[in-house]
Amino acid sequence: DQQVKQNSPSLSVQEGRISILNCDYTNSMFDYFLWYKKYPAEGPTFLISISSIKDKNEDGRFTVFLNKSAKHLSLHIVPSQPGDSAVYFCAASSNSGGSNYKLTFGKGTLLTVNP
Amino acid sequence: GAGVSQSPSNKVTEKGKDVELRCDPISGHTALYWYRQSLGQGLEFLIYFQGNSAPDKSGLPSDRFSAERTGGSVSTLTIQRTQQEDSAVYLCASSLGPWGYTFGSGTRLTVV
Repeated sequence: DQQVKQNSPSLSVQEGRISILNCDYTNSMFDYFLWYKKYPAEGPTFLISISSIKDKNEDGRFTVFLNKSAKHLSLHIVPSQPGDSAVYFCAASSNSGGSNYKLTFGKGTLLTVNP
Repeated sequence: GAGVSQSPSNKVTEKGKDVELRCDPISGHTALYWYRQSLGQGLEFLIYFQGNSAPDKSGLPSDRFSAERTGGSVSTLTIQRTQQEDSAVYLCASSLGPWGYTFGSGTRLTVV
């Protein structure tokens, strides 16, 4: 039972254009969401997060949107750069039961930004 | 050190053998986590250590898996009698609080 789903295994965009990565979740108890970026042979690195009390969080070229009613979040990268090419993981946690440290990850989306 | 260090980076072992994976967290980080990523899957939570509290072992897939954290620093994940389905990348992370993980580069375990 996959609670965090990234239905697109891969995405290819042109440099300078917008990249939109999508993530759906099924557990209504999730209240904090994060995006991680992973290069080959490296560990994932934190990119951006959003609390369920917000619907948007922006950090430079990266914006995360949260639609709680649809249980959907998306990561927008504008403008996309070749160095953004990596696997992007969506992750979620729940504060219920005091286990907010435990992240549930999606399978990841491989983003390729072409020069 | 500057980051989370994991060793070995790659490990090939024969089915049925025991393996030990090591994690050196960032100095001062009180929380330490183990995750694993099997081929084509997302990261799967295994175990969480926080200070002197009892660890959360709820993610360990079987009793062949165990982990310890000595002196609140270095952690070792042990897999006994390895099986082919144990093949995965094992990732360690540390943090000062929840969510602010810094991951290591992982240990790629291959059971043949």
